Amino acid sequence: EDQVTQSPEALRLQEGESSSLNCSYTVSGLRGLFWYRQDPGKGPEFLFTLYSAGEEKEKERLKATLTKKESFLHITAPKPEDSATYLCAGVVGSARQLTFGSGTQLTVLP
Amino acid sequence: DAGVTQSPTHLIKTRGQQVTLRCSPISGHKSVSWYQQVLGQGPQFIFQYYEKEERGRGNFPDRFSARQFPNYSSELNVNALLLGDSALYLCASSPGWDSSNYGYTFGSGTRLTVV
Repeated sequence: EDQVTQSPEALRLQEGESSSLNCSYTVSGLRGLFWYRQDPGKGPEFLFTLYSAGEEKEKERLKATLTKKESFLHITAPKPEDSATYLCAGVVGSARQLTFGSGTQLTVLP
Repeated sequence: DAGVTQSPTHLIKTRGQQVTLRCSPISGHKSVSWYQQVLGQGPQFIFQYYEKEERGRGNFPDRFSARQFPNYSSELNVNALLLGDSALYLCASSPGWDSSNYGYTFGSGTRLTVV
């Protein structure tokens, strides 16, 4: 069964304290790994797509990396406005649907 | 540019009732997918429609149905509502059917509460 697991479930950081979020996947025929950010009561907002092991992408304080079994979202010197739930999802199936993890709820304290 | 538009934003229904949720994709996008997000969990795939045809269906009962119109907008219908159907229902649009090439843009969702 295709599965995407995120850890930790919740993370509290002080402003400026860098850390990483983990996304491990057991998916057959993975066609891409997506990272989204979701604010309370809103839909997920696209951050990155990674396609092959070794690939890295950056956007402001965020950097996403991919290996054959997991992906990491590195947050460098976070700010309170980075507080949100971060979701990863694998693209699978004939419909190319997204299989999501449960998310990591990040809180950055000023 | 208008993003993905969903209506209504909030809805309260009674057990056993039926509900219809609506989605307008980004202009030019031909694929619409529906996801259910229960509080504290990631979204779960319900349906994908491309060019008005169903391309995929997740593990949801037959009480859930959907359709896509010639203008690419879509409706999700849920019959015989259960308390467990309470969730945020998300619509996502994509230019083509293969989201691995294009990615998905999500709407803000419809919050359905079943009492």
